[in-house]
This record gives sequence, C-alpha cells and structure tokens, in this order.
Amino acid sequence: AQSVSQHNHHVILSEAASLELGCNYSYGGTVNLFWYVQYPGQHLQLLLKYFSGDPLVKGIKGFEAEFIKSKFSFNLRKPSVQWSDTAEYFCAVTSERGSSNTGKLIFGQGTTLQVKP
Amino acid sequence: DTEVTQTPKHLVMGMTNKKSLKCEQHMGHRAMYWYKQKAKKPPELMFVYSYEKLSINESVPSRFSPECPNSSLLNLHLHALQPEDSALYLCASSQDRDRGSYGYTFGSGTRLTVV
Repeated sequence: AQSVSQHNHHVILSEAASLELGCNYSYGGTVNLFWYVQYPGQHLQLLLKYFSGDPLVKGIKGFEAEFIKSKFSFNLRKPSVQWSDTAEYFCAVTSERGSSNTGKLIFGQGTTLQVKP
Repeated sequence: DTEVTQTPKHLVMGMTNKKSLKCEQHMGHRAMYWYKQKAKKPPELMFVYSYEKLSINESVPSRFSPECPNSSLLNLHLHALQPEDSALYLCASSQDRDRGSYGYTFGSGTRLTVV
C-alpha cells in the first residue's frame, strides 16, 4: 500500500535558522506530492505541490521543496524561519489514474515545528 | 468562489443522538472527500465520492453514513457515535478524483465532541 514517511516528528529551531523537513513516499508510479501546513487551531493550507516539470517547486511564505524521484523524496525547505512558521506540517501524496490508490490523498504523520523567537 | 464550506463548525452530541455534518463547494469539483483528524495526527481518509457516487469507503463503521445529494453538496450522517469518534472532520474537494495533480481544497472542518 502507498505510504508517506516524515522523519522528523518534532523540530525546534530559533528564528532565522534554516529548515529542512524530510518526506519519503513508497509508491513507484506517477505521483502528485503536496505539503500542507496547519497552524494551531486552523485548517489545512496548501504550501506547495508537485505533479510534473521542474523538480524544484516554490510555494507560499518562502517555502520550497525538491522532488528527487530516485530517492522517493520530497523534502520541504525554508532558508530562514520565523516565529509565525510554528505549525504542523504534513506531506501528502496521491497517485494518478490507473493506480489502485487513485483518489486517495495519503498524509504522512506530520512534523511539529516550533520556532523560538 | 474557491472555498469549501463546512457546517456546523462545532458540534456536541450524545451517544444516542443523530446529527449531520454538511459540506458545500461551488467550484464545479466532481470529487468530494471526508477525512477524520484526531489531535496531533494526520487526516485519515474516510470516504471518496466521484461524480456523486461513492467510490471509496475506507472501512468506516456504519455509524457514519455519507450522502452526496448533488455535485455541490456532501453530507455525513452520524448515529450512535462513541466518545472515541470525537475529532475534527474535514471535507475536501478536487476537480477530478482520477487526476490528483489538480489539487485539493479543504474546508475548515467540524470539531465534533461525543459525550
């Protein structure tokens, strides 16, 4: 079955530090990859997504992610975090037409990011 | 209109009650989804509707009953729930179930408490 792994469960950084959150997925076919953010008490917001083309994807709020097909990875990065980036971050994957997992958006376990002012 | 609207935002119900959650979108999306999210956990897929037909049921207990009356509306009927069913219930929509590249739009959720 398709799965998503996020290696970092809880990350604590100081403001201005650089961020990299790991995400690996298990499915070998054509996939679409997403990073969502959930601020405390709020709903899921899409940070960025990848479905084809340039493997380096830029999203909102200065976030970017790199798709490395050979490593089944889609890591999220930000050069300099702010206190307002404190939130839960979820990597998610869905597969394209023809897969038994079509229609399923599967989430990783999430990473709690705490940024200290 | 680029939103998914869920009502109510909060719901407290007893274990013998019957209640319904409502989800609405007017983006012309033909796939709609119900997810359940417990605190500090990722959303878990419950149901997928494609063109108003149920296409995926992730082995959800029958006390949860989904309904898609039309292409814009998705309901989740609740009956005889247990306290462990307390969670945030999220609705989402996408243009087409078979093309994940189109992306997904999530609603703000209904926070359900079963007492």
